[in-house]
Amino acid sequence: AQSVSQHNHHVILSEAASLELGCNYSYGGTVNLFWYVQYPGQHLQLLLKYFSGDPLVKGIKGFEAEFIKSKFSFNLRKPSVQWSDTAEYFCAVSPLYNQGGKLIFGQGTELSVKP
Amino acid sequence: GAGVSQTPSNKVTEKGKYVELRCDPISGHTALYWYRQSLGQGPEFLIYFQGTGAADDSGLPNDRFFAVRPEGSVSTLKIQRTERGDSAVYLCASSLLAGGITDTQYFGPGTRLTVL
Repeated sequence: AQSVSQHNHHVILSEAASLELGCNYSYGGTVNLFWYVQYPGQHLQLLLKYFSGDPLVKGIKGFEAEFIKSKFSFNLRKPSVQWSDTAEYFCAVSPLYNQGGKLIFGQGTELSVKP
Repeated sequence: GAGVSQTPSNKVTEKGKYVELRCDPISGHTALYWYRQSLGQGPEFLIYFQGTGAADDSGLPNDRFFAVRPEGSVSTLKIQRTERGDSAVYLCASSLLAGGITDTQYFGPGTRLTVL
């Protein structure tokens, strides 16, 4: 069965530190890839997505992610985090064979940024 | 409305009772998804509608769970004989093109279900 693994359950950083959140998936075929974010008290919002083309994807609020097909990875990065980035981050995969587009999520990484 | 809405925001019920959770998708979105998120976990797929029909219900855990979307817009997730293990946040999402190659799902705020 397809699965998504996020390496870190909880990450604590100081403001201005660089961020990298790991995401690996297990599926041999073509996939669409997503990062969603959930700020405290808010609903899930799309941060960025990869469908095809340039494997380096830029999203909102200065986030980017790199798709490395050979490693089945889609890691999220930000050069300098802010206190307002405190949130839970979810990586998700949608295998293209599945025309319905259902998402398979990782377990999430909680990011705490100290001011 | 501007986004996906879900009602109620919170539901507390007793073991064995029946509950209904409602989702109102973004206007014009043909696809609608239900997910369940347990504490400390990512959302888990339950069922997907394309228009009025359930195109994929492979994520429903058992026959106590059922969902409908009779007019291709609002959807209701129904849970019979609730169990304590059903306690979770139930999320609804909608998308424009129903799994198209560049489709994006937009999520609602969720319904927090607590079964006592």
